[in-house]
Amino acid sequence: TQLLEQSPQFLSIQEGENLTVYCNSSSVFSSLQWYRQEPGEGPVLLVTVVTGGEVKKLKRLTFQFGDARKDSSLHITAAQPGDTGLYLCAGYSGAGSYQLTFGKGTKLSVIP
Amino acid sequence: KAGVTQTPRYLIKTRGQQVTLSCSPISGHRSVSWYQQTPGQGLQFLFEYFSETQRNKGNFPGRFSGRQFSNSRSEMNVSTLELGDSALYLCASSPTGVLGTEAFFGQGTRLTVV
Repeated sequence: TQLLEQSPQFLSIQEGENLTVYCNSSSVFSSLQWYRQEPGEGPVLLVTVVTGGEVKKLKRLTFQFGDARKDSSLHITAAQPGDTGLYLCAGYSGAGSYQLTFGKGTKLSVIP
Repeated sequence: KAGVTQTPRYLIKTRGQQVTLSCSPISGHRSVSWYQQTPGQGLQFLFEYFSETQRNKGNFPGRFSGRQFSNSRSEMNVSTLELGDSALYLCASSPTGVLGTEAFFGQGTRLTVV
């Protein structure tokens, strides 16, 4: 079973601070996806990274896929209260894989 | 374009009962996956259906079952409910469900077993 470990599990920061969330595995993933989930809602896809070393930017969010495709990071610049939520990484393991494996998530609270 | 619709949103059941949850995918999407989300275990994969066929199943007991209809709508059933089945059940749809494709989630069904 392929596992995704996310750290930190909880993060509470002040508005305007920067933060990085990590997603690590001992296995290679063909692609990794990042989701954000708000209480009472389903996860919403933020980005998919496919190529080792790939960097994608989404406004203040920067996503990176490790060269070996075993890890990924999400960096948020100048966090805002609207960034509060549960950040989940998920990956497909390879060809013929029809399931996403999820990390347990990082619960982010941005305090105004 | 309508999103993924799950019904009901909330459900309270008694131990030993059974329950059926419903998921209507985005129009045109043929893959439907089900996940169980709990605070301790996070999101865990239950099963995935494509064109009425189960292609993959997670490590859950046989009390958990599902099916998909010809219009891609899907149902999951849990029999002989246990307290530990209390969770948020999420359905996700995608065009094909294969590697790298986007999965769109519904709001989930919050099941409480008492």
